[in-house]
Amino acid sequence: IAGITQAPTSQILAAGRRMTLRCTQDMRHNAMYWYRQDLGLGLRLIHYSNTAGTTGKGEVPDGYSVSRANTDDFPLTLASAVPSQTSVYFCASSEQGDTGELFFGEGSRLTVL
Amino acid sequence: GQNIDQPTEMTATEGAIVQINCTYQTSGFNGLFWYQQHAGEAPTFLSYNVLDGLEEKGRFSSFLSRSKGYSYLLLKELQMKDSASYLCAVRESNYQLIWGAGTKLIIKP
Repeated sequence: IAGITQAPTSQILAAGRRMTLRCTQDMRHNAMYWYRQDLGLGLRLIHYSNTAGTTGKGEVPDGYSVSRANTDDFPLTLASAVPSQTSVYFCASSEQGDTGELFFGEGSRLTVL
Repeated sequence: GQNIDQPTEMTATEGAIVQINCTYQTSGFNGLFWYQQHAGEAPTFLSYNVLDGLEEKGRFSSFLSRSKGYSYLLLKELQMKDSASYLCAVRESNYQLIWGAGTKLIIKP
């Protein structure tokens, strides 16, 4: 089944540890995104990539980094996790075009203690 | 500044009709989206409006007024499975999406 796969689904992490959230899509979409979702707030864009080899900063990029070595993969790395990074993280992709509808992965719930 | 407002929570009865409003102030406008998100799941696309007027898709309709910075999502013949959060998002001129905090819709029998 075509779509976006995220891993891990859930993780508890000690503050100061490094963590990479994985995201893979098989729809050959050019654009990919990482969002975080916190209670009472709208989805907030962390980083995005319009095409393989390029990345850009979103609304809340500090403490996070991404890479886009190929079309399918878009990992998100927390270099040194802090408790404020406790959140649900969603990876998404879209085709360029009229609607630019986003397709989301199932999310990664991260708890930083 | 950028702002999207939608009610935090709404309650409706199974079989009834509910309208979820969304007002926005953004830097330019390049389309408005509605997504549905069941608890613990990913958001899924419902509708897209870029021109003024009503877009109908089965039991769901979405309306846009660009001059008023206003949209609504209309859900008819409510079913228990419609209990979810409904997210309004505006795409700005630079193609970035600004998201509302979502409206949690509770359907009662």
